[in-house]
Amino acid sequence: GAGVSQSPSNKVTEKGKDVELRCDPISGHTALYWYRQRLGQGLEFLIYFQGNSAPDKSGLPSDRFSAERTGESVSTLTIQRTQQEDSAVYLCASSLAWGLQYFGPGTRLTVT
Amino acid sequence: KQEVTQIPAALSVPEGENLVLNCSFTDSAIYNLQWFRQDPGKGLTSLLLIQSSQREQTSGRLNASLDKSSGRSTLYIAASQPGDSATYLCAVPGANSKLTFGKGITLSVRP
Repeated sequence: GAGVSQSPSNKVTEKGKDVELRCDPISGHTALYWYRQRLGQGLEFLIYFQGNSAPDKSGLPSDRFSAERTGESVSTLTIQRTQQEDSAVYLCASSLAWGLQYFGPGTRLTVT
Repeated sequence: KQEVTQIPAALSVPEGENLVLNCSFTDSAIYNLQWFRQDPGKGLTSLLLIQSSQREQTSGRLNASLDKSSGRSTLYIAASQPGDSATYLCAVPGANSKLTFGKGITLSVRP
């Protein structure tokens, strides 16, 4: 079966613009995670979805960041009014409940 | 707050050498620990998952150990090959299984 997919693979945007990043989890995986990897930094947790429960947004760095997920399907991470410090690789992972997380290839975001 | 440390940040070894990558964590109340591999421009590939009840986990030339009491894990790579060159990350789960990662060790295996 297909793994976790993310689109776009690369995104270059101007400072101040909004961007949307998409994640398609593995079919049947109830849990979905977004992480961020900035240059020279470790991966940082951003947000977690589990089924129809309220998402865990504790990792979102500012109110410019938001994410949605409809049921157990696609998730979209939106960054409004992008800043240069938002430049990073954004990784999505999915899992069964609290099981092993499978990661997508990531979206490399560059804010100029 | 859980902190995960991997030292050194980079390592270069000749082909064929056996090597050990270290990972330490501050909060020992974990239920598993995971080692990942990341190739440049790629996502993460899970290598090994060690449950807290286990001390070791093996996959091919890779062996990972876990000592919760001392807050340490090691990844042993036997007979290293140039294809092993990558960044190796360890991660531990917290609430909601969200992972806390180390910054990784970038390994270069010289032919």
